[in-house]
Amino acid sequence: EAQVTQNPRYLITVTGKKLTVTCSQNMNHEYMSWYRQDPGLGLRQIYYSMNVEVTDKGDVPEGYKVSRKEKRNFPLILESPSPNQTSLYFCASRGETGQETQYFGPGTRLLVL
Amino acid sequence: DAKTTQPTSMDCAEGRAANLPCNHSTISGNEYVYWYRQIHSQGPQYIIHGLKNNETNEMASLIITEDRKSSTLILPHATLRDTAVYYCIVRSYNTNAGKSTFGDGTTLTVKP
Repeated sequence: EAQVTQNPRYLITVTGKKLTVTCSQNMNHEYMSWYRQDPGLGLRQIYYSMNVEVTDKGDVPEGYKVSRKEKRNFPLILESPSPNQTSLYFCASRGETGQETQYFGPGTRLLVL
Repeated sequence: DAKTTQPTSMDCAEGRAANLPCNHSTISGNEYVYWYRQIHSQGPQYIIHGLKNNETNEMASLIITEDRKSSTLILPHATLRDTAVYYCIVRSYNTNAGKSTFGDGTTLTVKP
């Protein structure tokens, strides 16, 4: 079954404690992306990757890092989380052409105390 | 990518057609119109997309105006399970177009 998986699904942490949210897809997609969703602000893109070792900033990259060492994985790293990063996070992937649809993961709900 | 404008919310009676409009007046020739929906806080789900011709699939129909400045998503027989936030986005088919912008979407409430 084609899918995008994220782990963990729920996470409570404290300010400053580094964390990683993993994202993996089994569709051999070139493109992967991270979004955050906050009430009243819709989905905002954090980072995206067009292929292995190729990443670029989205609209709200501050406070986040990503890496793309393998095609299937695209982890989101918060080196020093702060309460304003409390949010619902989604990973997505699609094929390389612009016609491809995006497949979204189930989401990770993060609370930073 | 072109910006889109959608109504904040709409209601629809169960069993009736739901028509969700989207304005994308600055769309350029190489941009597709995509529709996604998000049920509660689940990951958004693809519905349909098109370039200039009307499209239909098992979920919905997409009507794009001739000047491509607006489109309408039609759910022909809305059910309670179609209650969701519907996003209209436009995206270039340029393979280097990695940025993707979702607006606020339309909250569709299907009522019994």
